[in-house]
Amino acid sequence: QKEVEQNSGPLSVPEGAIASLNCTYSDRGSQSFFWYRQYSGKSPELIMSIYSNGDKEDGRFTAQLNKASQYVSLLIRDSQPSDSATYLCAVNTGGNYQLIWGAGTKLIIKP
Amino acid sequence: EAGVAQSPRYKIIEKRQSVAFWCNPISGHATLYWYQQILGQGPKLLIQFQNNGVVDDSQLPKDRFSAERLKGVDSTLKIQPAKLEDSAVYLCASSFRDTEAFFGQGTRLTVV
Repeated sequence: QKEVEQNSGPLSVPEGAIASLNCTYSDRGSQSFFWYRQYSGKSPELIMSIYSNGDKEDGRFTAQLNKASQYVSLLIRDSQPSDSATYLCAVNTGGNYQLIWGAGTKLIIKP
Repeated sequence: EAGVAQSPRYKIIEKRQSVAFWCNPISGHATLYWYQQILGQGPKLLIQFQNNGVVDDSQLPKDRFSAERLKGVDSTLKIQPAKLEDSAVYLCASSFRDTEAFFGQGTRLTVV
């Protein structure tokens, strides 16, 4: 059974601080990794994709991938109240391009 | 580039009635996903198409749910008969191979 695990939270972070979200996956053959943000009542929206080990930065967001340890993380710098949402981790296990989803971490940024 | 289109946005039906949802993926995206999302949970895959073939429908309740993807483009998801526990948001997403999936706005279904 291929699984993706996330801490459900809520994770509470003060405004302006760094929010750190983590995700672990079970399938060592996984090739593609994605972070989505979902506001209440809205559809998931892609924030970051990462395909190789290391860090990938896009504005205030940094995705980190460690295939040896089978985890992927998302860092949000200078957190804003508008970052309050549920963050979903998704992993593509290759083969038939199947996406496995975590249950999401609820992030709350406190002003 | 147009996004994933879904309709309707909202639907209220009585239990035992039938309902259908429609999805038009992003042009050129061969992979199409239907998800069910219950409040507070991650998306649950119902069915995945690669072009017009089914890749994974292991979590589709086949006694009441059906889906098709005509000509490898548009897709329809049907529920017949609906149960109270089918109340959820139904999300359609598409992707190009193993790249990121893009979602439509979803259909919020309420079964009363």
